[in-house]
Amino acid sequence: EAGVTQSPRYAVLQEGQAVSFWCDPISGHDTLYWYQQPRDQGPQLLVYFRDEAVIDNSQLPSDRFSAVRPKGTNSTLKIQSAKQGDTATYLCASSFGGANTGQLYFGEGSKLTVL
Amino acid sequence: QQKVQQSPESLTVSEGAMASLNCTFSDGTSNNFRWYRQHSAKGLEVLVSIFSDGEKEEGRFTAHLNRANLHVSLHIREPQPSDSAVYLCAVRGTQVVGQLTFGRGTRLQVYA
Repeated sequence: EAGVTQSPRYAVLQEGQAVSFWCDPISGHDTLYWYQQPRDQGPQLLVYFRDEAVIDNSQLPSDRFSAVRPKGTNSTLKIQSAKQGDTATYLCASSFGGANTGQLYFGEGSKLTVL
Repeated sequence: QQKVQQSPESLTVSEGAMASLNCTFSDGTSNNFRWYRQHSAKGLEVLVSIFSDGEKEEGRFTAHLNRANLHVSLHIREPQPSDSAVYLCAVRGTQVVGQLTFGRGTRLQVYA
């Protein structure tokens, strides 16, 4: 069974540029999460979806970050006008039934460096 | 807001010695605790999940939970150099449905 797939694995930007990260969850998983993991810190939840609906995006910096999951399968996280403080690894995870009951499976992450 | 703290920040052990990692949390109503391992430039691999006080063993990994003390630990029996990685504690409280809060991690180095 294929795991969670993310792309690109690495991105290097100048401040002010935009970038999109893509996530393909495990087939059949209804819940998808995006986490931000700065260097030497634990992952911090940005947003999560149940099917195509946003359940919680309270930690998403809405002025520059956006996330969609239009068909309840793949998802895209976009950062517009990137800042040096956005330098981090962006992890996608999926589960069946949510974190209350389902086990989260993580992708390998997309490592972003903003110069 | 849930706070999760891990100690020590880093730990070095010799191959075959027991490795013990600690995690404290702030929300006493938390009911879902997980330990993950993260190798460099890799995703997170779940090692053990525990939901009630006591002990849960998964192979060489054993978690101990004491909710009264707001403490969960991970013990690695007979660690190997391939176990060298960052170990992350994750806790699900009841204040924000569906959200796991992670600690900053313990970096484990196992030498032969």
